[in-house]
Amino acid sequence: GAVVSQHPSRVICKSGTSVKIECRSLDFQATTMFWYRQFPKQSLMLMATSNEGSKATYEQGVEKDKFLINHASLTLSTLTVTSAHPEDSSFYICSAREERDREETQYFGPGTRLLVL
Amino acid sequence: TQLLEQSPQFLSIQEGENLTVYCNSSSVFSSLQWYRQEPGEGPVLLVTVVTGGEVKKLKRLTFQFGDARKDSSLHITAAQPGDTGLYLCAGRDRSWGKLQFGAGTQVVVTP
Repeated sequence: GAVVSQHPSRVICKSGTSVKIECRSLDFQATTMFWYRQFPKQSLMLMATSNEGSKATYEQGVEKDKFLINHASLTLSTLTVTSAHPEDSSFYICSAREERDREETQYFGPGTRLLVL
Repeated sequence: TQLLEQSPQFLSIQEGENLTVYCNSSSVFSSLQWYRQEPGEGPVLLVTVVTGGEVKKLKRLTFQFGDARKDSSLHITAAQPGDTGLYLCAGRDRSWGKLQFGAGTQVVVTP
């Protein structure tokens, strides 16, 4: 299957700082990428849909000024958690959608563990 | 509320036993995907089912998509400790194209 990478895999930061997470599709182009958040022992919660060359679409209840998304190329999307606070600590996972032979498949990155002190 | 209901939420079995995980919804999906996730990692795609009534086999795993494309099941034969993980089903909504995830089924296979 296709490969999606995330960087960094884990990050610890102080409250009030900003953290940028990168998501790359390594062997395919993705016009659409997705950002999810996952709490312990829970399923994935979609935060936003990232579209290459246009503004991201945020899910209800997700602050767009808090979670900045940039999808500048067909292989890279970034999520910046601005002015992070302890309640932002979580597991963030990106996903890239591959379209092939009229079928769409989402591949997930390995996730980024964020801990805000 | 979860659009996709997965059951059971937790399953603990002995190595060699069989198990089935169910994924049900009142909505029709254009396709449904099954993922397995291990702690601290992202979900790994196991299979995509598209056609109503479709059955796909992946070694000891058998996936079925309901005739009406509203439900699916995952059956594991002779489970092994390596099958331990969180199994997630995700349906793609026709109109928005977004994946809707179930709550997941935590499977633990003990030697």
